[in-house]
Amino acid sequence: EADIYQTPRYLVIGTGKKITLECSQTMGHDKMYWYQQDPGMELHLIHYSYGVNSTEKGDLSSESTVSRIRTEHFPLTLESARPSHTSQYLCASSESTGTYFGQGTRLTVV
Amino acid sequence: QKEVEQNSGPLSVPEGAIASLNCTYSDRGSQSFFWYRQYSGKSPELIMSIYSNGDKEDGRFTAQLNKASQYVSLLIRDSQPSDSATYLCAVSGGYNFNKFYFGSGTKLNVKP
Repeated sequence: EADIYQTPRYLVIGTGKKITLECSQTMGHDKMYWYQQDPGMELHLIHYSYGVNSTEKGDLSSESTVSRIRTEHFPLTLESARPSHTSQYLCASSESTGTYFGQGTRLTVV
Repeated sequence: QKEVEQNSGPLSVPEGAIASLNCTYSDRGSQSFFWYRQYSGKSPELIMSIYSNGDKEDGRFTAQLNKASQYVSLLIRDSQPSDSATYLCAVSGGYNFNKFYFGSGTKLNVKP
């Protein structure tokens, strides 16, 4: 069973606020990812990392930033939240046997 | 062209029938293939992986891989209403070795 944790699970925040979505995994995976997914829609890769101090932007343009200072931790930060950022954010990690997802953070910006 | 293509559905089958889900991929060098199930409002969960041509069975699920034709399929036997979900196909190990490519998913409805 995958051990990947996201906090908070739900977040409602006002426009212009800075937020950080937390993601941690205990499996020692080098590869970690952030996906954005709207209800009923496909996954969109917004950031990925192949190891400590390695981060790349994904296929979907995003105003968020990420950091990877420790293998197990891959937080995502929005400097100034906007209503267009309202979505579900999924963190994942992978090895050759597959990709494993956290439970997600549902973000609502009002 | 997308890396992984799936019919979005919905695919409707009666309870007890076989559900057949299909996926094609563009990178002929891909080596690893996965099926995920995603219930509404939940995260995707890995249900099957397959790495070589042929069939792989796990309970009511059978994954089929044909690298020559670049397609992967998932068969669900004796479909149950609890199987109603979106099924995502994922592929990795191609020219961009480290990346996993997900299809957009096929929605399956199993009618009681």
